[in-house]
Amino acid sequence: GAVVSQHPSRVICKSGTSVKIECRSLDFQATTMFWYRQFPKQSLMLMATSNEGSKATYEQGVEKDKFLINHASLTLSTLTVTSAHPEDSSFYICSARGVEYNEQFFGPGTRLTVL
Amino acid sequence: DAKTTQPTSMDCAEGRAANLPCNHSTISGNEYVYWYRQIHSQGPQYIIHGLKNNETNEMASLIITEDRKSSTLILPHATLRDTAVYYCIVRVANTGNQFYFGTGTSLTVIP
Repeated sequence: GAVVSQHPSRVICKSGTSVKIECRSLDFQATTMFWYRQFPKQSLMLMATSNEGSKATYEQGVEKDKFLINHASLTLSTLTVTSAHPEDSSFYICSARGVEYNEQFFGPGTRLTVL
Repeated sequence: DAKTTQPTSMDCAEGRAANLPCNHSTISGNEYVYWYRQIHSQGPQYIIHGLKNNETNEMASLIITEDRKSSTLILPHATLRDTAVYYCIVRVANTGNQFYFGTGTSLTVIP
């Protein structure tokens, strides 16, 4: 299957700072990328969908000004958590889909801890 | 996308077949059944998907009932490394449509 990477795998930051998480498709072109977050002992919650070169579509209840998504190329999407607060601490996971695949491929996740 | 219902948890003895059920009684004719699993603190891993015919790959088999209202994921010889949360998702393929995850089944393989 196709490979998706995320960077960093783990980040700790102070409250009020911004954090950028990168999601890359390594061996295919991702026309669509998705961002999820997962709180402890809960399922994955879809945050937003991004298509290359277009604005992201956010799920209901997700603040687009707080979670900035950029999908500038067919292999890279970034999620920036602006003015992070402790309640933003979570496991953030991206996935990607290429035109040649029916399934999505997920990255390994980024553990964000806001102090 | 159709809603799915899965048991919260299951146990399976190592070396035995693990049979994970999923109900999707409101599935539409053009919706596929996908299975993913998530090992603790990792991203979900694709397992298998199908429309109406049974499918098999190197990881598992997928059995879909004739009316397509339910399916079963079969891990033929479960190992300790198969301990994970297994998610059954239905959605239309060949689109950029999202996956919405339910609560999944937490499978524990017991030595």
